[in-house]
Amino acid sequence: RKEVEQDPGPFNVPEGATVAFNCTYSNSASQSFFWYRQDCRKEPKLLMSVYSSGNEDGRFTAQLNRASQYISLLIRDSKLSDSATYLCVVNLDSWGKLQFGAGTQVVVTP
Amino acid sequence: GAGVSQSPSNKVTEKGKDVELRCDPISGHTALYWYRQRLGQGLEFLIYFQGNSAPDKSGLPSDRFSAERTGESVSTLTIQRTQQEDSAVYLCASSLSGGTFGEQFFGPGTRLTVL
Repeated sequence: RKEVEQDPGPFNVPEGATVAFNCTYSNSASQSFFWYRQDCRKEPKLLMSVYSSGNEDGRFTAQLNRASQYISLLIRDSKLSDSATYLCVVNLDSWGKLQFGAGTQVVVTP
Repeated sequence: GAGVSQSPSNKVTEKGKDVELRCDPISGHTALYWYRQRLGQGLEFLIYFQGNSAPDKSGLPSDRFSAERTGESVSTLTIQRTQQEDSAVYLCASSLSGGTFGEQFFGPGTRLTVL
């Protein structure tokens, strides 16, 4: 079993719609969780950290469910510029070693 | 300010040759990471440097891979006797202080193709 698993998609989303997807992780000791965004042939960039109580950043909402060991990302009012691959990231140790999921591709269409 | 830079951006080499990849982290960042990303796959951790501590080499796939870092600056990743399965994008990231919650800033990567 992979340490971080994601639905690869693609999720085809009409502009203005809402899309949500999950990621599951296997290490119950993980303490920090992130969503990174990666555009085609570009490097990953931090989208948001995920906090225990859930957090929101503009149109993006992240949730953490420790009991079921999954993280979710919801994008409201999708924009064409939201088209990207979203990487679920979980820490492996206290030194910052991270485990990346393979990513969920989102395609926002006009 | 300047971000993480990597060179070369692309490298094509023949099987069996050695290659050296370079990473310049953001100035002042004490933590530096190397990852590998094969086509269509997630990032695979290779090695981690934090200040003057011994590096965490647990992700290096074989003894053909090695990395060095000079103080808290430049790092080089060396792959000896390259194989076709080494073809991937090699990404370097730096973080202000490392640790569980530090944001990692990525360079643009080096795309390695082994023929």
